[in-house]
Amino acid sequence: DAGVTQSPTHLIKTRGQQVTLRCSPKSGHDTVSWYQQALGQGPQFIFQYYEEEERQRGNFPDRFSGHQFPNYSSELNVNALLLGDSALYLCASSLSWQGTGELFFGEGSRLTVL
Amino acid sequence: DAKTTQPPSMDCAEGRAANLPCNHSTISGNEYVYWYRQIHSQGPQYIIHGLKNNETNEMASLIITEDRKSSTLILPHATLRDTAVYYCIVRLTSYGKLTFGQGTILTVHP
Repeated sequence: DAGVTQSPTHLIKTRGQQVTLRCSPKSGHDTVSWYQQALGQGPQFIFQYYEEEERQRGNFPDRFSGHQFPNYSSELNVNALLLGDSALYLCASSLSWQGTGELFFGEGSRLTVL
Repeated sequence: DAKTTQPPSMDCAEGRAANLPCNHSTISGNEYVYWYRQIHSQGPQYIIHGLKNNETNEMASLIITEDRKSSTLILPHATLRDTAVYYCIVRLTSYGKLTFGQGTILTVHP
């Protein structure tokens, strides 16, 4: 049973560019969340998708957007990249109806902005 | 979600119990306590969660004080592979966001 898979694992962009990160949730999971983790910090919540709609959003600018597809996979898009967007981007999946609320995280996509 | 306070770092000898404390003095009656850990270069991993009662699973035990203002995560027989950052998180619902703090860096020594 594959867990949460993310791609790409590493990427380098320059300021002003745009990036798309992809996430496939754990089999059977219908909810996907994205987190940003700067070096030495805990992960910060970006947003959550369920039934192809953004359900919750953290304190991130509109440059950060997302999408969820009918197969529950998800994309995170960041426009007009800034140096401060350099971070590990984590995707987490869960079952909407599961009472434990356990999130399964992927290994992350390491973004470096030069 | 209520704020949590954890010591920045702790050490533990291999084979001994690791007891990681967490303060959440502003927790409300319907907020859960969750514990996650993050091993270097990996995504966070769920450990355990609880509301009022003590909980135990194959990984750890969670002890929540009667007033719910603090809790302790217990790894009964720590191994070198338990070296990680441990996050204590208070969460209103089972489907809401996780608010991570700085966590506790646990180092298990041989």
